[in-house]
Amino acid sequence: DADVTQTPRNRITKTGKRIMLECSQTKGHDRMYWYRQDPGLGLRLIYYSFDVKDINKGEISDGYSVSRQAQAKFSLSLESAIPNQTALYFCATSDLDGYGYTFGSGTRLTVV
Amino acid sequence: GEDVEQSLFLSVREGDSSVINCTYTDSSSTYLYWYKQEPGAGLQLLTYIFSNMDMKQDQRLTVLLNKKDKHLSLRIADTQTGDSAIYFCAERVTGGFKTIFGAGTRLFVKA
Repeated sequence: DADVTQTPRNRITKTGKRIMLECSQTKGHDRMYWYRQDPGLGLRLIYYSFDVKDINKGEISDGYSVSRQAQAKFSLSLESAIPNQTALYFCATSDLDGYGYTFGSGTRLTVV
Repeated sequence: GEDVEQSLFLSVREGDSSVINCTYTDSSSTYLYWYKQEPGAGLQLLTYIFSNMDMKQDQRLTVLLNKKDKHLSLRIADTQTGDSAIYFCAERVTGGFKTIFGAGTRLFVKA
């Protein structure tokens, strides 16, 4: 099994719908992150969490919310999806020592 | 503000060396990273370097860090078609609570 699992892998949804992207990890890491990838823009941080009780906004949190249900689970919600939220979404985890992130395989979301 | 910049494309012939360059702005960054993204996959950590190092070598990969110019490079020796991917430079900013990524360099390897 993958260290960081994201579901679904692909999703098409309509404008105005609520959608949840899920992430689970088996790394035992406390820190979890949600990033969005757009062509030519790299990865931009949406939310991050350092433990179950610690949730922080990233640089582009508007229109998104998160829930840290357990150390291993971190979900991202779009309350009312809009077309410019069409992107590739990545969940990542890290330990405290700075030795880089472990990424999931991504969720490709299309809002029509 | 914090920023990481890298060129968007690089094309090399199989067997040649590839050099991917990156500049960053946070002079107090503690860690700098190179990630690889293959089609349809997430980012995979290739290597990292501490800010107190000038160079790190790992098999075909050589990372060079010029702190004065805030310049980081990744050299891939004997580039293979399997090296075709997007390569992301990233820096861990002061305080350690987030990592800033560049836009990625797409490496094309011609047979």
